[in-house]
Amino acid sequence: EAQVTQNPRYLITVTGKKLTVTCSQNMNHEYMSWYRQDPGLGLRQIYYSMNVEVTDKGDVPEGYKVSRKEKRNFPLILESPSPNQTSLYFCASSLRQLNNSPLHFGNGTRLTVT
Amino acid sequence: DQQVKQNSPSLSVQEGRISILNCDYTNSMFDYFLWYKKYPAEGPTFLISISSIKDKNEDGRFTVFLNKSAKHLSLHIVPSQPGDSAVYFCAASAGGNTPLVFGKGTRLSVIA
Repeated sequence: EAQVTQNPRYLITVTGKKLTVTCSQNMNHEYMSWYRQDPGLGLRQIYYSMNVEVTDKGDVPEGYKVSRKEKRNFPLILESPSPNQTSLYFCASSLRQLNNSPLHFGNGTRLTVT
Repeated sequence: DQQVKQNSPSLSVQEGRISILNCDYTNSMFDYFLWYKKYPAEGPTFLISISSIKDKNEDGRFTVFLNKSAKHLSLHIVPSQPGDSAVYFCAASAGGNTPLVFGKGTRLSVIA
């Protein structure tokens, strides 16, 4: 089944403790992206990747890192999480960043930083 | 500055009636528009899209209308069903390598 898989689905952590949210897609998509969803703010892009070893900042990259060493994986790293990073995170992928290639989203990771 | 605006946070419609969700944009470079639907505890799923060279695109019960001069698009759902109850996100792209820009979403409730 074609899908984007994020892990974990739920995560509670403390301020400053490094964490990684994994994202994997099995559709051989070139483009991958991370979003966060907050009440009243909709979906905001954190980072995106056009292809392996190519990453770029989205609208809200502060406090996050990403890597794209393999085509299928695009982990989101929070080196020193803070409470303002408490949010619902979505990974997404598409064949390319082109108009006729809609995004496929994972089911989300709900992160709470205390 | 928000480039894609969904000014109605929520909408309630009776089953069988038409649901109209609206979206306005400010960036005249946007040339492709998409609607995504999101159920609780799931990621958004693609619903329908429209290119700026068209003013209407239809897929079953879902129709998207684009008014370029007004920088406005709308999603019509006819007839509305309880299973359509979800949050709907409007998104826009300026093409090429530019990222999608999402609106804040509208929560649709279809009441049986």
